[in-house]
Amino acid sequence: QLVGSGGGLVQPGESLRLSCAGSGFTFNKYWMNWVRQAPGKGLEWVANINPDATTRRFVDSVKGRFTVSRDNAKNSLYLQMNRLTVEDTAVYYCLAWGDGAYWGQGMLVTVSS
Amino acid sequence: DAVLTQSPLSLPVTLGQSASISCRSSQSLITSDGNTLLAWFHQRPGQSPRRLIDLVSKGDSGVPDRFSGSGSGTDFTLKISRVEAEDVGLYYCMQYTHWPHTFGQGTKLEIK
Repeated sequence: QLVGSGGGLVQPGESLRLSCAGSGFTFNKYWMNWVRQAPGKGLEWVANINPDATTRRFVDSVKGRFTVSRDNAKNSLYLQMNRLTVEDTAVYYCLAWGDGAYWGQGMLVTVSS
Repeated sequence: DAVLTQSPLSLPVTLGQSASISCRSSQSLITSDGNTLLAWFHQRPGQSPRRLIDLVSKGDSGVPDRFSGSGSGTDFTLKISRVEAEDVGLYYCMQYTHWPHTFGQGTKLEIK
């Protein structure tokens, strides 16, 4: 239902872009979200964007560094992550929230020198 | 931020028995239009989470009716009746009344 791509290993201060492609549900009706899980830790909501992209929200720890966008014509969600720090190391999930809740498979982002 | 506190954090259960997980919020989760935006998730090791319950007590499609949610305001419970082996893993409550949305710490259910 949601297939993510773009994870990997980067150095502190570098950038990375995550993508997530949806299928099997009406993408343009759903709030889309990014949730992350640091190694051995719980879940943290990172950002979300409403169906028409007029509202975007970020957790304080990523404000000013991460941006979220979507392309409803391509059923796709993006997370642009800039000025990454070691604290951003986590598995990142995309999540479609509505009548159903659809999760991507998780993408590992490792920030290390 | 609305802090969600789950208990217990570890839950050993005998197959076929029932289990309950509590989730308490530091703030009321009732919205201005009277809804309560509280959900429950299950995460098996190495897998993505799966939503079980939304809006306190509404089961998601395909979720066995062994799973039920209840509560109001700041105090919520997930009950699992007749625990099965496939129920092992982590259970999280999550609120989306307030931004940032927040999760509880997680409760690890294991079979005795």
